[in-house]
Amino acid sequence: DVKVTQSSRYLVKRTGEKVFLECVQDMDHENMFWYRQDPGLGLRLIYFSYDVKMKEKGDIPEGYSVSREKKERFSLILESASTNQTSMYLCASSSGGRVSYEQYFGPGTRLTVT
Amino acid sequence: GENVEQHPSTLSVQEGDSAVIKCTYSDSASNYFPWYKQELGKRPQLIIDIRSNVGEKKDQRIAVTLNKTAKHFSLHITETQPEDSAVYFCAAKRAGNMLTFGGGTRLMVKP
Repeated sequence: DVKVTQSSRYLVKRTGEKVFLECVQDMDHENMFWYRQDPGLGLRLIYFSYDVKMKEKGDIPEGYSVSREKKERFSLILESASTNQTSMYLCASSSGGRVSYEQYFGPGTRLTVT
Repeated sequence: GENVEQHPSTLSVQEGDSAVIKCTYSDSASNYFPWYKQELGKRPQLIIDIRSNVGEKKDQRIAVTLNKTAKHFSLHITETQPEDSAVYFCAAKRAGNMLTFGGGTRLMVKP
């Protein structure tokens, strides 16, 4: 059974703080993703990584960066948190290739920036 | 880039009735269309998907249809039950293994 875990379920940070969200998957998946989920907007892709140290910007990368030093771990970094980054953050992973594109999601981190 | 629109945003049905959720996409190169279900407080999970070489796929009470010419696809749930109540997301695959998601549909099944 694929397991994707995230470091925190709830997080409260102050404006201007540096925030780290961590995601770990245990299925040796090549691909990892960070999304933010806001009501009515669905899941919007922030960043995508297809290999260690490899990353691609998604649709809303401004204000975020990522790090993938090990295959199983993908971190999302908010360099200077702002109130408009208050949201639910979901990590996901999928295997490479064309056999399956299914993405497996973590439980999410609800981040509040005050 | 890919744009996926999903309708309706909320849907209320009586238990036993059918529910239909529709999505349109913009990139004619998209070739994979999954549907995810997210129950309250839980993570999204894949419930069914379809590839562009197939027009319809069925799995028990759920089915997905794809019209490549019109660039739209739909989720059909028959004989709805209270446990079908959730938010449903459609998506379309774009370059690489990235997905573009629709805005979501909150389905409420009234007993």
